Amino acid sequence: GENVEQHPSTLSVQEGDSAVIKCTYSDSASNYFPWYKQELGKRPQLIIDIRSNVGEKKDQRIAVTLNKTAKHFSLHITETQPEDSAVYFCAATPFPQEKGGGNKLTFGTGTQLKVEL
Amino acid sequence: NAGVTQTPKFQVLKTGQSMTLQCAQDMNHNSMYWYRQDPGMGLRLIYYSASEGTTDKGEVPNGYNVSRLNKREFSLRLESAAPSQTSVYFCASRRTGFNPYNEQFFGPGTRLTVL
Repeated sequence: GENVEQHPSTLSVQEGDSAVIKCTYSDSASNYFPWYKQELGKRPQLIIDIRSNVGEKKDQRIAVTLNKTAKHFSLHITETQPEDSAVYFCAATPFPQEKGGGNKLTFGTGTQLKVEL
Repeated sequence: NAGVTQTPKFQVLKTGQSMTLQCAQDMNHNSMYWYRQDPGMGLRLIYYSASEGTTDKGEVPNGYNVSRLNKREFSLRLESAAPSQTSVYFCASRRTGFNPYNEQFFGPGTRLTVL
């Protein structure tokens, strides 16, 4: 099955700096890579995703890049703010089914991002 | 629109006791999932139901059973709780269909402690 590794496990940045979180995956058939943000005591929520036919996707201060050859993808947050402090999870799936499929996501182990004032 | 709801929010069990975690969604989603979250281990899939009437094992199914009661509800049962099942449990749902990349929506979680 799929295996997703995520680094670093903790990341501390100064407000206004950039943060980068990296993930690698093992199954070359994976073609959908979402990122979830989980604030303390809250549920995970999707913040951005990328599909295998795209190399980069941007949404305001958040961007995700994908290198299918190397089997890795990264989350980039620019101009970090205190409200960006949270745990971030990457995920991958080789089976985004059109109908009736389970779309089983394999998650990384998470990165605790702390944005310091 | 409540989204994905879970009950209870917190539960303390003694080793050997049984309990059922309830999950419901009002988004007319086909697929539903149960995850457990442990420190440093991310979210691990316990069981999932691709559609009403079907269930399949995920990465860590041992010690659990599930029931897809109808399209809205997906319950997780611990028949004989063990301390190793102390965790935060999340239910999630997803709309399948022609878009294979639909988002998974998570419930608020159940914090379970087994003594």
